[in-house]
Amino acid sequence: GAVVSQHPSRVICKSGTSVKIECRSLDFQATTMFWYRQFPKQSLMLMATSNEGSKATYEQGVEKDKFLINHASLTLSTLTVTSAHPEDSSFYICSASPGQGRYNEQFFGPGTRLTVL
Amino acid sequence: AQSVTQLDSQVPVFEEAPVELRCNYSSSVSVYLFWYVQYPNQGLQLLLKYLSGSTLVESINGFEAEFNKSQTSFHLRKPSVHISDTAEYFCAVSVHTDKLIFGTGTRLQVFP
Repeated sequence: GAVVSQHPSRVICKSGTSVKIECRSLDFQATTMFWYRQFPKQSLMLMATSNEGSKATYEQGVEKDKFLINHASLTLSTLTVTSAHPEDSSFYICSASPGQGRYNEQFFGPGTRLTVL
Repeated sequence: AQSVTQLDSQVPVFEEAPVELRCNYSSSVSVYLFWYVQYPNQGLQLLLKYLSGSTLVESINGFEAEFNKSQTSFHLRKPSVHISDTAEYFCAVSVHTDKLIFGTGTRLQVFP
């Protein structure tokens, strides 16, 4: 149980285009979903937290107009990188939490590697 | 604010040797503690967690970690490592919320 998928696993795009990454919780309802960014050989940095049906909460320094997050249902959240540039190239990982109880474990997706040429 | 420090960026070790990956945290309130493992080009998998109760927690593949409140540490240990344990290991803390704060990671490299 508690499986989270991401699609696509790998994407290459041209500079200036937009890319959408999907995150799905396959066997549970995710009250909260998280988007992380990981640079090579570095830790995960939380970009934003999204709750179903409401606007995402972005971490300091993350451009909300650049990284559009939509959490339209309890099983799906999307991250759209708008007008992508080479510096947006990174490994993007989502996680999902069922949001029950005092401690809400996060279940992580396999990640999406974005390369912007 | 909370923070996590993993002092060792890389830990090379021979197969069947013991290993310890160090994790220290800073927090003025009680925390939940986690170790995650990341294999190449994959997402994170939860290895073990400390929420409350016994300070020694174990994973199904032989790893264990001990929560030491006085030293604010949560070191990860394994008495005998395998080649398949080669991966990146992340320590993380959470404070009664969903938000996880990760350390910078430790690359465990197991040699034959």
